[in-house]
Amino acid sequence: EVQLVESGGGLIQPGGSLRLSCAASGFTVSSDYMSWVRQAPGKGLEWVSVIYSDGNKYYADSVKGRFTISRDNSKNTLYFQMSSLRAEDTAVYYCARGAYYSGLDVWGQGTTVSVSS
Amino acid sequence: DVQMTQSPSSLSASVGDRVTITCRASQSINSYLNWYQQKPGKAPKLLIYGASRLQSGVPSRFSGSASGTDFTLTISSLQPEDFSSYYCQQTYSAPWTFGQGTKVEI
Repeated sequence: EVQLVESGGGLIQPGGSLRLSCAASGFTVSSDYMSWVRQAPGKGLEWVSVIYSDGNKYYADSVKGRFTISRDNSKNTLYFQMSSLRAEDTAVYYCARGAYYSGLDVWGQGTTVSVSS
Repeated sequence: DVQMTQSPSSLSASVGDRVTITCRASQSINSYLNWYQQKPGKAPKLLIYGASRLQSGVPSRFSGSASGTDFTLTISSLQPEDFSSYYCQQTYSAPWTFGQGTKVEI
């Protein structure tokens, strides 16, 4: 079964760092495009980052320079290193699989990040 | 960056109604336009990709179309389980922006 399971969310103070993980099963992370999408409380979806199968990485302006997407092929896991966290980064963070031509067809259950003092 | 303008932000409809949601891109995105359904507290679900291609397992009452930079999601006969939020997303160029969303209510 194709599945994504996120972990690593929690309550963190402004300026702090957090690393999210997204463990994949049923497919190979390194062979696919993998994204992070977030949703602030009561708000819409915001795409934040993608790593292509060829390793190219892209970020939304709102997180560029603060967040880093990466993957560990041996663990078949996607990561999202978040630094210099702000209150406006508070959201449910989803990882998702999918290429530019096929849409995001597999999603994790989401992990909640709360940035507050 | 490509901006996606989705409308309406909400609509009221009844079971059996035909419902149309529109997204307009700020520039040409070819057909790299996807539609998602999201229910409260759940992850989004892919409905349509490539503007008009139905994702496997999605009921045929959902359809997508395109005309230039305007894209439309149509639900031909609204069912009780379709009351939800819907989002468009362009994947023509990064950042892969979403529309603001449409909430379909009873």
